[in-house]
Amino acid sequence: RKEVEQDPGPFNVPEGATVAFNCTYSNSASQSFFWYRQDCRKEPKLLMSVYSSGNEDGRFTAQLNRASQYISLLIRDSKLSDSATYLCVVNKNNDMRFGAGTRLTVKP
Amino acid sequence: SQTIHQWPATLVQPVGSPLSLECTVEGTSNPNLYWYRQAAGRGLQLLFYSVGIGQISSEVPQNLSASRPQDRQFILSSKKLLLSDSGFYLCAWKIGGGGGGLHFGNGTRLTVT
Repeated sequence: RKEVEQDPGPFNVPEGATVAFNCTYSNSASQSFFWYRQDCRKEPKLLMSVYSSGNEDGRFTAQLNRASQYISLLIRDSKLSDSATYLCVVNKNNDMRFGAGTRLTVKP
Repeated sequence: SQTIHQWPATLVQPVGSPLSLECTVEGTSNPNLYWYRQAAGRGLQLLFYSVGIGQISSEVPQNLSASRPQDRQFILSSKKLLLSDSGFYLCAWKIGGGGGGLHFGNGTRLTVT
């Protein structure tokens, strides 16, 4: 089993749609969690950290479920500029592991 | 503010040639440093990470090595490149001992021919 697993997609959604991504992790001792965004042929950029209490940044909401070992990212009111690959990251003792990413395309 | 520099941006090397990629961080002390590789259309594979000078944790390979000669310098090397070493190499840093996320350099696109 992979340490961090994501549905590769692609997710093709119209502008204004709400879309959700999930990510599961195998190590129950994992300590911190993040979502990154990667545009084609560019480096990943930190989107947001993920907390058990849930956290929101504008149209983006992230959630952690430690009992079920998954994290989620919800994007509301999708924009064309949200088109990218979304990567989840799991950290245990400075060992930062990435999921393979979920490709999102937002269409007009 | 902190910045990370990674070079070169692109590199074309023949099979069997050596490799040296360098990454430096400014504006912070004792960062954790990381090397990742991303093959075309694939996810990021952790290659090495370091929590201090001379401390290297190796995840994978084979014919690659890493060194941290100074606090904010991380070097990825190979004595003889393989075709399978082609990919997008990314250096990243995070606050040492902190729970924050990674911050990436612009990456080096390596093609081994």
